[in-house]
Amino acid sequence: AQSVSQHNHHVILSEAASLELGCNYSYGGTVNLFWYVQYPGQHLQLLLKYFSGDPLVKGIKGFEAEFIKSKFSFNLRKPSVQWSDTAEYFCAVNDQEVSGGTSYGKLTFGQGTILTVHP
Amino acid sequence: EPEVTQTPSHQVTQMGQEVILRCVPISNHLYFYWYRQILGQKVEFLVSFYNNEISEKSEIFDDQFSVERPDGSNFTLKIRSTKLEDSAMYFCASSLNGLAGAISYNEQFFGPGTRLTVL
Repeated sequence: AQSVSQHNHHVILSEAASLELGCNYSYGGTVNLFWYVQYPGQHLQLLLKYFSGDPLVKGIKGFEAEFIKSKFSFNLRKPSVQWSDTAEYFCAVNDQEVSGGTSYGKLTFGQGTILTVHP
Repeated sequence: EPEVTQTPSHQVTQMGQEVILRCVPISNHLYFYWYRQILGQKVEFLVSFYNNEISEKSEIFDDQFSVERPDGSNFTLKIRSTKLEDSAMYFCASSLNGLAGAISYNEQFFGPGTRLTVL
């Protein structure tokens, strides 16, 4: 079964610091990769996604992520965080094949990383 | 911008009671999902629904759970006889195209969640 791990449970940064959140997945086949963000009191929102092509993907609000297939990783980065980036960040994976059939988009999530940015 | 909505935002129930959680997906979306997040744990996939039938379900989604699209707009999750361990945040999601591996595969849009508390 697919599994996703996020290395950090809670990251605390000051404004303007650089951010990198780790994400590793276990499935060796073709995958779609996502980072979702949940701001306090709000619902999960898509930050960025990787389906194919350029392994460096850019998302909203200055975030980017790099897909490294050999490392089964999809780390999220931002060169300079802001106080408004305080939120919980979730890495998610959809593997494209399930045994005996076609995957209908089931997402497997990591445990989430809480980011706190101090002004 | 269209959104997925969920009602109620918080549901408190006694163990053994039936609950129905309601979701209104984005109107032109075709694939529907339920996920849950037990406090302190990962977001877990429960079920996906397409063309008026379940397309995929997890081990969590046992006989106590059912889903329905009773009309053209609502998508419901029913728990027949709630248990203490069903206490969680339940998220509904929808996507335009959920077929993984298809060129037109789309990301899932999540609702704000319903917090279910079973006493």
